[in-house]
Amino acid sequence: QVQLQESGPGLVKPSQTLSLTCTVSGGSISSGDYYWSWIRQPPGKGLEWIGYIYYSGSTYYNPSLKSRVTISVDTSKNQFSLKLSSVTAADTAVYYCARTVVAPGGRVVRFDPWGQGTLVTVSS
Amino acid sequence: DIQMTQSPSSLSASVGDRVTITCRASQSISSYLNWYQQKPGKAPKLLIYAASSLQSGVPSRFSGSGSGTDFTLTISSLQPEDFATYYCQQSYSTIFTFGPGTKVDIK
Repeated sequence: QVQLQESGPGLVKPSQTLSLTCTVSGGSISSGDYYWSWIRQPPGKGLEWIGYIYYSGSTYYNPSLKSRVTISVDTSKNQFSLKLSSVTAADTAVYYCARTVVAPGGRVVRFDPWGQGTLVTVSS
Repeated sequence: DIQMTQSPSSLSASVGDRVTITCRASQSISSYLNWYQQKPGKAPKLLIYAASSLQSGVPSRFSGSGSGTDFTLTISSLQPEDFATYYCQQSYSTIFTFGPGTKVDIK
């Protein structure tokens, strides 16, 4: 079955750019049946959806983060990536990637499965 | 944004108990409501989608109901592996939002 794995630096300095990659195995990003999302969870807190991408490169971001977020896809590597610029301590969180299931007609309906998550700490 | 609330925020229960968790949306979301289970240090796992559909592989003791603004997740007979935090999530709006979570621990 499909599995997702996040990778990237665990420590980022304030004002710099956070960069993470999600590698998908057991299925193709290019199948067109799914979107691919990033979701984060600050330590001890709830979940926040960041944005998603389609294999074609089409993206949709949470307006609360839109000015700082870029999600991209590399279908040749079966990967998609997150960049979050101008980070502060408030961006410290576990970052998850997740397959995003789309219903017939194109409506996004649920996140399944998720990667194991990677903790990114913003600190000097 | 559609705001999601959950009650209670935490509960203590015993193995074998029937447990009910409530999720409320700030506006009608039809049946676009999912439930996830998260254990400490692990990623969330989808349990219920579209308010009442059981995800493949999830035990039948989990069930969901509701539509509009009010939803419930029920665990019919709590098992040791069910102690976790449960989140609801709406997909009616294109800004997907989660509830704050309900922590279920051992009495």
